Amino acid sequence: DVKVTQSSRYLVKRTGEKVFLECVQDMDHENMFWYRQDPGLGLRLIYFSYDVKMKEKGDIPEGYSVSREKKERFSLILESASTNQTSMYLCASSIRDRGIYSTDTQYFGPGTRLTVL
Amino acid sequence: AQKITQTQPGMFVQEKEAVTLDCTYDTSDPSYGLFWYKQPSSGEMIFLIYQGSYDQQNATEGRYSLNFQKARKSANLVISASQLGDSAMYFCAMREGKEGFQKLVFGTGTRLLVSP
Repeated sequence: DVKVTQSSRYLVKRTGEKVFLECVQDMDHENMFWYRQDPGLGLRLIYFSYDVKMKEKGDIPEGYSVSREKKERFSLILESASTNQTSMYLCASSIRDRGIYSTDTQYFGPGTRLTVL
Repeated sequence: AQKITQTQPGMFVQEKEAVTLDCTYDTSDPSYGLFWYKQPSSGEMIFLIYQGSYDQQNATEGRYSLNFQKARKSANLVISASQLGDSAMYFCAMREGKEGFQKLVFGTGTRLLVSP
């Protein structure tokens, strides 16, 4: 079974703090993703990575950065947390894209609910 | 413009009845894939079913089936014989061929409540 774990289920931080959200997968997947989920907006892609030390911006990268030093670990960093970053953050992983006909799916972690005060 | 539209913020169904959750999509790419995920209150997204744009038949997985109408650009999820455990958020998502890396675009979700 694929396992994607996230370091915290709930996190409370103060405005201006540097925040690290960690994600680890145990299936040797090449691709990893960070999303944020807000009511009425669905899931929006922040950043993704298709290999170690590689990263690509998603749809809403502003205010975030990422790090992927090891294949199994993908970190999301909020350099200076702000109240509008209060959200649910979901990490996902998948094998390398095998083309559009592939039925491969993304596997998600349990999420981290971050509150910035 | 929204690439994935789920027009039903909430749906109610009685146990053992069937329910259809709507999803329409917008793409000019002939090659794409459509996914449905379930998110229970625990938060984890669970993959339910996949439909490829070139698939000739509608996808089915147990009690889940996908009513794929390509000309109308709709990919509705049908849950037969609803169970109390089906109460959750449901998200439709699309993977486009030109994106690569299995990048998905999600709809805003539908909350399903199954009553006894």
